[in-house]
Amino acid sequence: GESVGLHLPTLSVQEGDNSIINCAYSNSASDYFIWYKQESGKGPQFIIDIRSNMDKRQGQRVTFLLNKTVKHLYLQIAATQPGDSAVYFCAESSAGGTSYGKLTFGQGTILTVHP
Amino acid sequence: DTAVSQTPKYLVTQMGNDKSIKCEQNLGHDTMYWYKQDSKKFLKIMFSYNNKELIINETVPNRFSPKSPDKAHLNLHINSLELGDSAVYFCASSQDGGAGDTQYFGPGTRLTVL
Repeated sequence: GESVGLHLPTLSVQEGDNSIINCAYSNSASDYFIWYKQESGKGPQFIIDIRSNMDKRQGQRVTFLLNKTVKHLYLQIAATQPGDSAVYFCAESSAGGTSYGKLTFGQGTILTVHP
Repeated sequence: DTAVSQTPKYLVTQMGNDKSIKCEQNLGHDTMYWYKQDSKKFLKIMFSYNNKELIINETVPNRFSPKSPDKAHLNLHINSLELGDSAVYFCASSQDGGAGDTQYFGPGTRLTVL
């Protein structure tokens, strides 16, 4: 399968369960944090973002949590569905300097939802 | 309606060849990007253009040359292909390239260098 040899963090859940995916970031100066979903054979798809001065942002079935103390991002998915199975990436972006608009991606987590 | 499209979807070629990947966006965005995703799924930016002007140029070998004929197109030309160039290349676009702008990705081009 696609995950063979990738050695990415993995999360397996049952359909209907809630999922929490987390990601560490390194740049305290980042202005925005973003979660992307990448299904097999497709490009990354924007899910939700948060500005660095916020702690929480609610979307449809997803919640973005930002913990600046431990420099971690969390994506909560409620009532996970088989269609949520994908690789999830966190990313950060800064407004200033030469990094303007550049997305720096994290490692990625494979989410598998079992029916 | 495809927002960001890339051609070809798959590209298999021999070492030393020169190849191009094309990207087009119909979102009316001013900024376009090229990212490389390696075999470990790690995504890294290569270039960005805003209104045909180069904005971001990461430490990419100069065998890679982006070309933006207009703000809806950003092509990637690669000279003297090497085995390590094998990867999936993604094009993306955003409204004006700002830090809070959502970037929309194309479907990717899987390049295999033999």
